Order: sequence, then structure tokens, then C-alpha cells
Amino acid sequence: DGGITQSPKYLFRKEGQNVTLSCEQNLNHDAMYWYRQDPGQGLRLIYYSQIVNDFQKGDIAEGYSVSREKKESFPLTVTSAQKNPTAFYLCASSIKGQGYEQYFGPGTRLTVT
Amino acid sequence: AQSVAQPEDQVNVAEGNPLTVKCTYSVSGNPYLFWYVQYPNRGLQFLLKYITGDNLVKGSYGFEAEFNKSQTSFHLKKPSALVSDSALYFCAVGFGGGFKTIFGAGTRLFVKA
Repeated sequence: DGGITQSPKYLFRKEGQNVTLSCEQNLNHDAMYWYRQDPGQGLRLIYYSQIVNDFQKGDIAEGYSVSREKKESFPLTVTSAQKNPTAFYLCASSIKGQGYEQYFGPGTRLTVT
Repeated sequence: AQSVAQPEDQVNVAEGNPLTVKCTYSVSGNPYLFWYVQYPNRGLQFLLKYITGDNLVKGSYGFEAEFNKSQTSFHLKKPSALVSDSALYFCAVGFGGGFKTIFGAGTRLFVKA
């Protein structure tokens, strides 16, 4: 899982509550990403950031928010507006530019009941 | 539209036999192609990538992949499978300046002893 940490590994929340997932990297990467993984659907991009204080929506950003105040950190908040938040969430980072592979954290499994 | 297809949900192979996990893609322009592996409840690990040059790319753990431009394919191969290769494999294509990556739905590989 390289130099990326995600916490916690498992997270349980009640419906209607916001929850923040942590992602920290010590690889000195400029670019960071959040993906959602559901069975049989591969990975879908939620948000990505190319540089501090800048981020862009991915394919499924509705109901999620992010911040990038430090190069090392890219927390994801799952808001109560997300209709189906139960999923496995993966954070990744990469060198900025074309053709660079992404390094993934171990993931956070969020269960909302 | 940009897309990646992994036509097989599951591939079964006996230990010691060669394995192939298939991937086809559809992107405009020159693609950056990747293979990742995921073990249960873990993040993805980078295996190999094709950027340009030799169509046969060698990666980690004895894996290789062949880029075929005319067939728009990037199949993952290994000459002799190990039980420990059993995992979920994702093909991915990068485009749009390097920040957009589309992942296939994944192929589960089972290697039987």
C-alpha cells in the first residue's frame, strides 16, 4: 500500500450523518484521488486534486466533498446527501502528469445503516 | 466515449499453466494503459504500464502485457500461474492530460493447485 494511509479501516454511521474519511501520503505526490468501489463496477472517480487548494469533480461527486489544504492530506466527507454511501473507498496519489501510475491506500469500508 | 472492457468476470487456471486476463479499450488519442491487482480488502497495487515503445511490457511478479493497437487490446499474461496470483485484476486507461483514469470492472483470477 506504499506511503498512503487511510483511516479508519472500517467505519459505521447512521443515515443522515456526515462522515469524513482520512487520506494521508508521504510520497511527495502532487496529485491525489478518491474512488468508490462497488462489487462488479470497478472503481469510479469521486474527486481528484492536482495541487494544494485545488480539486475537481470526478464522475460521481454528488453527495461528497473534499479539501486539499496540505499536499499530504486529501480528506473526503460523505454527506447525508449521498443516496447510497455504503461502499469501499480508496484514496490514491500519483506524480502529476501523463502516464504515471497511481499508488493506493488500503481503503476504508463505510457502512451506513 | 472513453471506456475499458474486461470481458471475463472470472478466469480459472491450474497452477503452472499460462494465464491470460483480457482487456480492450476505447479512447481517442494515444492511451496510457495500466494493470493493477487487488487482494481482498486491500488497495490496488500497480503491476505494469504501457506508455509508448515496445508492445510487450514486463512488470512485477512475472507478469507481462501485450499492447495491440489494431485490436485496441492490452491483455495481461503470465507464463506459469501461481496459487498466490489469485486476486482481482483491473485494467485501466489514462487520458486527458493524465488525471483521468478509467478502470475496468475487474477480472477475478482463481489459480487452482
